[in-house]
Amino acid sequence: DGGITQSPKYLFRKEGQNVTLSCEQNLNHDAMYWYRQDPGQGLRLIYYSQIVNDFQKGDIAEGYSVSREKKESFPLTVTSAQKNPTAFYLCASTLTGALGEQYFGPGTRLTVT
Amino acid sequence: AQSVTQLGSHVSVSEGALVLLRCNYSSSVPPYLFWYVQYPNQGLQLLLKYTTGATLVKGINGFEAEFKKSETSFHLTKPSAHMSDAAEYFCAVSHNNAGNMLTFGGGTRLMVKP
Repeated sequence: DGGITQSPKYLFRKEGQNVTLSCEQNLNHDAMYWYRQDPGQGLRLIYYSQIVNDFQKGDIAEGYSVSREKKESFPLTVTSAQKNPTAFYLCASTLTGALGEQYFGPGTRLTVT
Repeated sequence: AQSVTQLGSHVSVSEGALVLLRCNYSSSVPPYLFWYVQYPNQGLQLLLKYTTGATLVKGINGFEAEFKKSETSFHLTKPSAHMSDAAEYFCAVSHNNAGNMLTFGGGTRLMVKP
């Protein structure tokens, strides 16, 4: 079955540690996205990538980093510089020309204490 | 710039009652409009979308939405709520020059009472 996988589902880290969230898709989609979701705030765009080896900052990129070395993979690193990293993180992907329709992974809930 | 406003962060209905979730958008160009549903601790799933053509669009699970350009609205409705409809619903907008970028509303949590 084609889809987007995110791992792990739940992640716990101590403050000051970097952590990397995985996102893989086998839909052959060109573009991939990372969103952060906090209660009552909807989805906010962290980073996006329209093509391999290229990515752009979204609205809240500070404290995060990404890479896009393969079409299928778009990992997100939450660095120690992110002041409030506890959140639900969603990865999405889409085909070029899909008029905005994005497919979402199941999410990773990150808790930093 | 485009934006989306969902009126009512929480909506409560009785089972069998009409569901109406409101979405208004602002866009300087013709919009593409989407409704997504999110169940607890899960990703978003597309309910329905409007790109061009018929302004009344039908989606999964008995939901439908009507694009009203004059009112800049895309409200989501379902004639009869089921308990399984309890979830969070997001309206989103894109457009032809947006490169598949979506702007989301703040979400509406739908609660269904037995």
